[in-house]
Amino acid sequence: AQKITQTQPGMFVQEKEAVTLDCTYDTSDPSYGLFWYKQPSSGEMIFLIYQGSYDQQNATEGRYSLNFQKARKSANLVISASQLGDSAMYFCAISNFGNEKLTFGTGTRLTIIP
Amino acid sequence: NAGVTQTPKFRILKIGQSMTLQCTQDMNHNYMYWYRQDPGMGLKLIYYSVGAGITDKGEVPNGYNVSRSTTEDFPLRLELAAPSQTSVYFCASRRAGGGDEQFFGPGTRLTVL
Repeated sequence: AQKITQTQPGMFVQEKEAVTLDCTYDTSDPSYGLFWYKQPSSGEMIFLIYQGSYDQQNATEGRYSLNFQKARKSANLVISASQLGDSAMYFCAISNFGNEKLTFGTGTRLTIIP
Repeated sequence: NAGVTQTPKFRILKIGQSMTLQCTQDMNHNYMYWYRQDPGMGLKLIYYSVGAGITDKGEVPNGYNVSRSTTEDFPLRLELAAPSQTSVYFCASRRAGGGDEQFFGPGTRLTVL
């Protein structure tokens, strides 16, 4: 079974500052993928970034980067230069390379303060 | 290219009623999924399908049924609705092979009274 733990229910960050959202995972599969999704107040799920378990380098997508520490089983999301539009729920998820099912964490509500 | 579409957007059911949530994708994806999201929680997998004619249970399948007769469509059937099924339902799809994101539909907000 796979599990995602997000220990920060809510975070408040000043605009333009960087923010790190924590995610730890547990899996017995040797091959897996880690995903981050954003859910704004409108409710849709927006894919942000992906990290494969065998990827040597940390993933980056624009202002988003994933701090992947395999030995610690952590996959933290880093948002640089935060913007008001970054205010949303953020979900970390894991899937194994087989049935590709996603297991989600409980999410972190990020609020950017002007 | 509409992506993943879901109908209806909102629905109120009475206890014991049944309904079908529709999901269609136009990306020719093999994999399709149904999730539910309860207030303040993450998404939980109800059912998934790896191709037409193949479905399997997820984490919370009780009270639901699915079918996959075509690549495009993956309807979710609720039989004998209960208040515990009040939730937001998301359909998602992805192509086969590891590493690709799941594309989500806009969701269906269901209330059972």
